[in-house]
Amino acid sequence: EVQLVESGGGLVQPGRSLKLSCAASGFTFSNYYMAWVRQAPKKGLEWVATISTSGSRTYYPDSVKGRFTISRDNAKSSLYLQMNSLKSEDTATYYCASPGNWFAYWGQGTLVTVSS
Amino acid sequence: DVVLTQTPPTLSATIGQSVSISCRSSQSLLHSNGNTYLHWLLQRPGQSPQLLIYLVSRLESGVPNRFSGSGSGTDFTLKISGVEAEDLGVYYCVQGTHALMYTFGAGTKLELK
Repeated sequence: EVQLVESGGGLVQPGRSLKLSCAASGFTFSNYYMAWVRQAPKKGLEWVATISTSGSRTYYPDSVKGRFTISRDNAKSSLYLQMNSLKSEDTATYYCASPGNWFAYWGQGTLVTVSS
Repeated sequence: DVVLTQTPPTLSATIGQSVSISCRSSQSLLHSNGNTYLHWLLQRPGQSPQLLIYLVSRLESGVPNRFSGSGSGTDFTLKISGVEAEDLGVYYCVQGTHALMYTFGAGTKLELK
């Protein structure tokens, strides 16, 4: 059974940092491009970052470029998102997902709340 | 940047009714390799999104065949032939044609009339 399990969310003050993790199982993690997608409360889905299979290529939208860093450890079948200089508008549920197979795999999400 | 415009934003349907959702792109989604990376997701209340249709018209494994996708270039449609109660939720189109920078539509909420 395919599983993506996110962790690391919580309440953080504006300007601070947080690192999210996603543990994958049930599929060959190293074969897939992976991504982070977020959803603000009562809002739609927003793509946050993509990483290639080896980790050598990464992509970000302008809204997080320079503040967020996606990485992966294929030996541990894990995906990460380092979030720096957090803003209130980064408040959302963060999902790890698999664009490598057309977004067939999603985690349950982890909630990040940025507030003083 | 590619913008995906979904219509309608809200759809009211009765059980058994057939409905369609439109997704229009600001740029062609036909990739130079011949594929069109336009997919459809459903997010049921309180759940993570799930894949329904990929590459415009291919049905994901386990998804009922009352769901179908069509379209090309910039205009795409998701059709549900006979809505069932379990189909309620928010539908999203998503594109991945342009340099691995993904774009989601704003969503279409399907509710019971």
